[in-house]
Order: sequence, then C-alpha cells, then structure tokens
Amino acid sequence: EAGVTQFPSHSVIEKGQTVTLRCDPISGHDNLYWYRRVMGKEIKFLLHFVKESKQDESGMPNNRFLAERTGGTYSTLKVQPAELEDSGVYFCASSPGGTSRRETQYFGPGTRLLVL
Amino acid sequence: GDSVTQMEGPVTLSEEAFLTINCTYTATGYPSLFWYVQYPGEGLQLLLKATKADDKGSNKGFEATYRKETTSFHLEKGSVQVSDSAVYFCALSPWGGNMLTFGGGTRLMVKP
Repeated sequence: EAGVTQFPSHSVIEKGQTVTLRCDPISGHDNLYWYRRVMGKEIKFLLHFVKESKQDESGMPNNRFLAERTGGTYSTLKVQPAELEDSGVYFCASSPGGTSRRETQYFGPGTRLLVL
Repeated sequence: GDSVTQMEGPVTLSEEAFLTINCTYTATGYPSLFWYVQYPGEGLQLLLKATKADDKGSNKGFEATYRKETTSFHLEKGSVQVSDSAVYFCALSPWGGNMLTFGGGTRLMVKP
C-alpha cells in the first residue's frame, strides 16, 4: 500500500511568487491534514479535511493560504503571494476516518519551501 | 490551549546507552499521546502511542507510559543503536478531536 506522497519535495521561490503544494493521501483515507514547521519552531496544525469538506481550518495563518481537496482525493495548498516567513517544511497526513477520534495519522515526507 | 514541552537536544549517546527523552503536556480532559520519529531524509513515522492514563506504548524497544498525575509521556529505550539517530517528536490529540499538537522535537545522535 502506497503511503502519503507529497510534491514537490523541495521548492525555492522568490518573495511575491505563488507556490502550490500537492498531497496524495493513502487511498481510501477520508481525513487529510496539513501541518507545517517553520524554521526552529514546532510543527503546527494548519487545517483538516474530511473528504472534500474543511472540518477545521483554525491553524491557517492568513488569507494568503488556500487549501482545496477536489473530490475528496488529493489536496493542494497554495501560497499566494509567498512571504519570507512562509519558509519551512509543509507536512501532509491522512487517516482512515470513521467513528474513532483517536486514529493514527500517517505523514508524508514533507515539502521543503524556501522563500528568498 | 493545549501544549507539549519536550527536552531540547541534541542528545548525544554512545551505542547501547540508556535513553530518556522527557515530554510533558498541558491539555484538558483525556488527550491521546504520541511519539513520532523522523529519520534523516524521511517523513514523520508513528513510533508509539497511548490513549488513556497508565497505558504503555511500545515499539522497536522504545517505551512510554501515559502518566496523568504528572502529565508526562517520557520516551525510554534501554539500549540505543546508531540506527536510532533521528528527531523525536512528542505530540497529543485532544479528547474528541483530531488535530495534533507537537513538541519542538529532540534530535538524538548515537555514536558507535
């Protein structure tokens, strides 16, 4: 079974440009999460999808970030325009869904974003 | 809000030494507790978890016990190997929720 995949693995862009990160969850997983770790800080929650719906987007830092999950499959996270402080590692995770709220989240390898 | 505090690294040990990485948390109710590990060049992997007080999670020789009285979930291993070199993250998810709250991570370096 394929794990969570993320693309690209690395991205270097200039301030003001747009970047789109993609996450493909484990097949059949209804829950999809985005997290990020900015330099030297903790990994922070960004948002949570259940299928195609945003369940919780309380961690999104501002309106420069837009997340979508078309058809409840893969998800994209767009940063437009990118700022220097957006540099960090963006992780995606998925879990099966269902009645348990204590499911294990399976993480992807992350996308390393550097904004110059 | 919820928070997780873990000891800062790096922690440098010789092979076969005993490992403890401290983790304490602040949360209401009964969170679930996790240890994730990130090996060089890889993503986060679940190492072990515990979902209620006094539960002990264990995997690959690592153990951690959910201590509600001290709000702690310390990670231990009796004899570390060079291959255990990685960054270890303590995390919690709240009762009734899914969002993970992470500690800052502890880098472990094991020397032969």
